[in-house]
Amino acid sequence: AQTVTQSQPEMSVQEAETVTLSCTYDTSENNYYLFWYKQPPSRQMILVIRQEAYKQQNATENRFSVNFQKAAKSFSLKISDSQLGDTAMYFCALSGSARQLTFGSGTQLTVLP
Amino acid sequence: EAGVAQSPRYKIIEKRQSVAFWCNPISGHATLYWYQQILGQGPKLLIQFQNNGVVDDSQLPKDRFSAERLKGVDSTLKIQPAKLEDSAVYLCASSLEGIGTTIQYFGAGTRLSVL
Repeated sequence: AQTVTQSQPEMSVQEAETVTLSCTYDTSENNYYLFWYKQPPSRQMILVIRQEAYKQQNATENRFSVNFQKAAKSFSLKISDSQLGDTAMYFCALSGSARQLTFGSGTQLTVLP
Repeated sequence: EAGVAQSPRYKIIEKRQSVAFWCNPISGHATLYWYQQILGQGPKLLIQFQNNGVVDDSQLPKDRFSAERLKGVDSTLKIQPAKLEDSAVYLCASSLEGIGTTIQYFGAGTRLSVL
């Protein structure tokens, strides 16, 4: 069974500052993918960033980057230069060979003006 | 490119009534997923289709939930009869098949309230 744990239910950050959201996971598979999805109040899940487990290099997408620690089964998301539009629920998710997503419980991020 | 379409956006019913949700995936996406997201939780998979066949429905409460994907395109999720604990957002997602192609694209979901 796969599990994903997000231990920060809520976080806040000042506009233009940097924030890091934490995620730990467990899986018995060697080949898997990790994701961060963003869910604003509109409810649409939007992919923020994806990491392939066999790649050692941390993924980056503009202001978003991850710190992938495979041995520790840790996958944190760093948001630089936070913007008001980043306010949303953020979900960490894991996909293995079955390609189904296992989600964490989410972190509500609020960017303060 | 059109995204995943879902309807209705909202539905309010009384317990023991039936309800159906519709999903139209992104064109060409072979795999379709239905997730249930209870307030304050992450989405949980209900059923996964590849084309018009079921890949995994182990988490689907089959005594009351059913789903079909006719002709490998649109899908319908039905609840009959609904219970109070079925109040949730029902999300549909689709993905391409292929090596390393695992990104799921989500619709805006249907919020169900069972009174």
